[in-house]
Parts: sequence; structure tokens; C-alpha cells
Amino acid sequence: ETGVTQTPRHLVMGMTNKKSLKCEQHLGHNAMYWYKQSAKKPLELMFVYNFKEQTENNSVPSRFSPECPNSSHLFLHLHTLQPEDSALYLCASSQTTGTGSTEAFFGQGTRLTVV
Amino acid sequence: GQNIDQPTEMTATEGAIVQINCTYQTSGFNGLFWYQQHAGEAPTFLSYNVLDGLEEKGRFSSFLSRSKGYSYLLLKELQMKDSASYLCAAKDSNYQLIWGAGTKLIIKP
Repeated sequence: ETGVTQTPRHLVMGMTNKKSLKCEQHLGHNAMYWYKQSAKKPLELMFVYNFKEQTENNSVPSRFSPECPNSSHLFLHLHTLQPEDSALYLCASSQTTGTGSTEAFFGQGTRLTVV
Repeated sequence: GQNIDQPTEMTATEGAIVQINCTYQTSGFNGLFWYQQHAGEAPTFLSYNVLDGLEEKGRFSSFLSRSKGYSYLLLKELQMKDSASYLCAAKDSNYQLIWGAGTKLIIKP
């Protein structure tokens, strides 16, 4: 148990579906992240939120839409995805400090399959 | 560009010692992290180095050489539960984490 909870754990969706991934952290952190993890590839940072404000969008396609209603919750809304979007989507949180941030704590991820 | 290199896969024997190497090239440097990730689970934090030298934490140790852009994770007295992927990540001048692809460690009896 890392203090970061993601739901659902597994998701299969068609290319025309709309679904959302949810992340909740119970650590009192002020920064939250979405990562994409594909087999044998480095973690890809997708979005960063600091104090509920989006501070990073790493050229992610618009079919991925993040939402951060408060510092404890983070969503990733998905629509019209492609099969190559199939991957493990990881949420993480950390505490921003004056010299950067503490280590990131990860959720267990959502295994997404686009058919 | 920014890059992290680590071996794709390593195999070791239960009870032995294994060293997983990581080299990094980043724009600035603000520390290096090691994470462990078991299949189907969340990556979990193992260690953080920002100064040169060896940090020991139980059976795991992590070493950093900033001048060489090099780190390693040393695992002693290997146990079957140590079978996992080990992720190396360096923090650049903007405090962004640059990740390696991970090293899958297989422990054999």
C-alpha cells in the first residue's frame, strides 16, 4: 500500500468509447502525475499538476484529458483512443519542496487495452 | 538529448550479489533515484543519491559518481522476492525525472 489508489485496475475499451481513470492520494502531497508505461520502454510523463494547476503537458494527444479537482484527486478522461494507447497508466504523487520535490509514490496502475 | 541507460535484463542466483548499472545524460542534475517494480504492481522507492558515494540500506546499496554520470544498485544476499524490474531515474535541472526503461532481474534458485 503506497497511499496512492488507482481505479479501475484493468480496463478494456473500444476506440469509440469514453472512459475515465481515477487516482486518489492519501499522503497530503501537493503534486500529482500521470505516466504511461509501455513494455520495455521508459516511463513517459504525461501530465503534472502542482497545487491543482497543470504545470506540464508533454505533447500528449488531446484524446487524453486530465482533470484535477483538488490536490488529492486526479482523473484521466479517455476518448477515441487508438490501439497503440494500450499500456499501463500510472498515477503518482509527491511533495514539492523549495529544492524540487520528494520521491514519487505510485499507484498500482490501470492496465488499459484498446480494442 | 537526455538519456538513461540500464541493462534490459539480468539473471542472478539466490544468495548471491548482483550490481545493476545505470548511466545518465541530463541537462543539469539534481539527484538519482532507484525504484523497484514487481510485475503488476506499483513502482516503489528504494534509494536516492545526490552526492557522490555509497548509500547503504540493508541488503540494498546505491552508488553515485556525478563526474562519470554513473550509478549502480547493489543487491546482496539475493532472495527470490527480489525478482522484479529496477528503474533508474535522474532528476534534471528543471527537477523533472528522466527514466530508464528498467532492468528486469531474474533470480534463480
